[in-house]
Amino acid sequence: EAGVAQSPRYKIIEKRQSVAFWCNPISGHATLYWYQQILGQGPKLLIQFQNNGVVDDSQLPKDRFSAERLKGVDSTLKIQPAKLEDSAVYLCASSPRTLNIQYFGAGTRLSVL
Amino acid sequence: AQSVTQLDSQVPVFEEAPVELRCNYSSSVSVYLFWYVQYPNQGLQLLLKYLSGSTLVESINGFEAEFNKSQTSFHLRKPSVHISDTAEYFCAVSEGTGGFKTIFGAGTRLFVKA
Repeated sequence: EAGVAQSPRYKIIEKRQSVAFWCNPISGHATLYWYQQILGQGPKLLIQFQNNGVVDDSQLPKDRFSAERLKGVDSTLKIQPAKLEDSAVYLCASSPRTLNIQYFGAGTRLSVL
Repeated sequence: AQSVTQLDSQVPVFEEAPVELRCNYSSSVSVYLFWYVQYPNQGLQLLLKYLSGSTLVESINGFEAEFNKSQTSFHLRKPSVHISDTAEYFCAVSEGTGGFKTIFGAGTRLFVKA
């Protein structure tokens, strides 16, 4: 069974630029999560989708972050414009249903200069 | 609101020694508890979970954790560690009421020395 795929693995941008991350969950998994992991901290949930609907986006900075999950399968997370404090690893995870084992991708490491 | 505290940011230990990684949580409702492991440059992997039933849960690679409701703890233990256990370990909690949002602790870096 293929795991959660994320791309790119690494991204370096300058502040005020835009960036997008892509995630393809495990086939058949209804729930998809995006987390932000700042160095030295645990993952922080940014947004949770159930199929193509948003379940929780309470910690998503909506003035600069956006996410979508077209057709309830893969998802993109965008930052526009980026700030220095957005430097982090962005993790995507999926699970067969809410409250179940979460399967994580390898993450995208973003550096904002 | 729920929160998770991992009391040690780093734990150095010699190979074949026992180890305990501490985790405390706060919540006003029933919870589900998890330990995830993250190896360098990889995503998180589930190590073990407590959903209900026996308060002692075990993983396939020798780790165990015990849910202690009175002390609101879910400490992770292993009687004899290997070099390959070197990784970051995250404790996580989900509340059992709607949403099931998962909160992660800050992580504990286990460093096993030869």
